[in-house]
Amino acid sequence: QQQVKQSPQSLIVQKGGISIINCAYENTAFDYFPWYQQFPGKGPALLIAIRPDVSEKKEGRFTISFNKSAKQFSLHIMDSQPGDSATYFCAASMRTNAGKSTFGDGTTLTVKP
Amino acid sequence: DAGVTQSPTHLIKTRGQQVTLRCSPKSGHDTVSWYQQALGQGPQFIFQYYEEEERQRGNFPDRFSGHQFPNYSSELNVNALLLGDSALYLCASSLLGQSGANVLTFGAGSRLTVL
Repeated sequence: QQQVKQSPQSLIVQKGGISIINCAYENTAFDYFPWYQQFPGKGPALLIAIRPDVSEKKEGRFTISFNKSAKQFSLHIMDSQPGDSATYFCAASMRTNAGKSTFGDGTTLTVKP
Repeated sequence: DAGVTQSPTHLIKTRGQQVTLRCSPKSGHDTVSWYQQALGQGPQFIFQYYEEEERQRGNFPDRFSGHQFPNYSSELNVNALLLGDSALYLCASSLLGQSGANVLTFGAGSRLTVL
């Protein structure tokens, strides 16, 4: 049962370009939507997160857009850099317990110099 | 500030054996969650421990069990290993409650290979 669907599976972007990763969720009880970044040999690390009471959150080059009616949210990476090359996971959970999160299957981002 | 530490980093077992993985949470965190990450997939929630009890459980068989100690550290045990149990096992810690509950910190994981 896939409650969080993520696309695309892989993405290649030129340096300086915009990377866009999309996710859709099913469970309307979710009220916390984080994005994680994972490098090879490392665990996922929290990148940015959003709650459904806002439609957009920006932190530096990273922006989450959230569409509650469509049950979709996306990660935009502006001015993508080779150091951004990693696997990105969206997730969804209850705000009071992110420890029980449902993850997407990940997007492998490659930023070409 | 020590983050989440896991041990061992890598291990190889054969089918039918049992394995124990260990996790020390980030300082100040009181809740430990375990995830299984198969190759090319996202982490899947196994279970969560808080106050030394299993509080939540995902869709995993009883072969998967755990424990949390008074110092908040935790163990994941898997019995009767199957080839399909080969994966990266991730431990994540958090602070359960109104503040800080949405800050989830992962360890680097324990890579289990079952032959």
